[in-house]
Amino acid sequence: GESVGLHLPTLSVQEGDNSIINCAYSNSASDYFIWYKQESGKGPQFIIDIRSNMDKRQGQRVTVLLNKTVKHLSLQIAATQPGDSAVYFCADIPGGSYIPTFGRGTSLIVHP
Amino acid sequence: NAGVMQNPRHLVRRRGQEARLRCSPMKGHSHVYWYRQLPEEGLKFMVYLQKENIIDESGMPKERFSAEFPKEGPSILRIQQVVRGDSAAYFCASSQGTANEKLFFGSGTQLSVL
Repeated sequence: GESVGLHLPTLSVQEGDNSIINCAYSNSASDYFIWYKQESGKGPQFIIDIRSNMDKRQGQRVTVLLNKTVKHLSLQIAATQPGDSAVYFCADIPGGSYIPTFGRGTSLIVHP
Repeated sequence: NAGVMQNPRHLVRRRGQEARLRCSPMKGHSHVYWYRQLPEEGLKFMVYLQKENIIDESGMPKERFSAEFPKEGPSILRIQQVVRGDSAAYFCASSQGTANEKLFFGSGTQLSVL
């Protein structure tokens, strides 16, 4: 089975609100995690990553939190904009591996 | 610096025909990955290649599917005798090839089998 899964298939938010997308993983050997954004008709685009020796990492308007105790990963998007509407995937890579495993994805819908 | 280039963007084949999907990695990247995506689904790993070598093909169907990444030229994903169930978006990604490294994806090839 997949080592990565997402809690919610769809998340609807109002423009300007903060969004939180969650992800659970099952492989305790995973030590690298990546969030990708995929817009309709396009390939996945890298957003942010985090390694297992960290529990938080911030980018521009995005923050990734990692809780290794419960094997949970989240992506927080501040001041969500209509352009953030897309499907968001988390992926994990076990230590020493080269191959990310993707979850099913969460569709983020931002209402103006 | 051009990103990962895939062609064609759309490919229509009739059942029984062959499909060839091409992928040129980012400049400086020597590792290529192929993923398949069905509608409303995540990306399923198929195969991981370096130049002239298949490193991991654990996600590739045993029959009709093959992949190569020659010394010169793009990586090719080849599907022989296509069936309707092969209809999907096929994405290629590349990396420089160290462990625990993010992948950069192309725009994909949408294969439709009639």
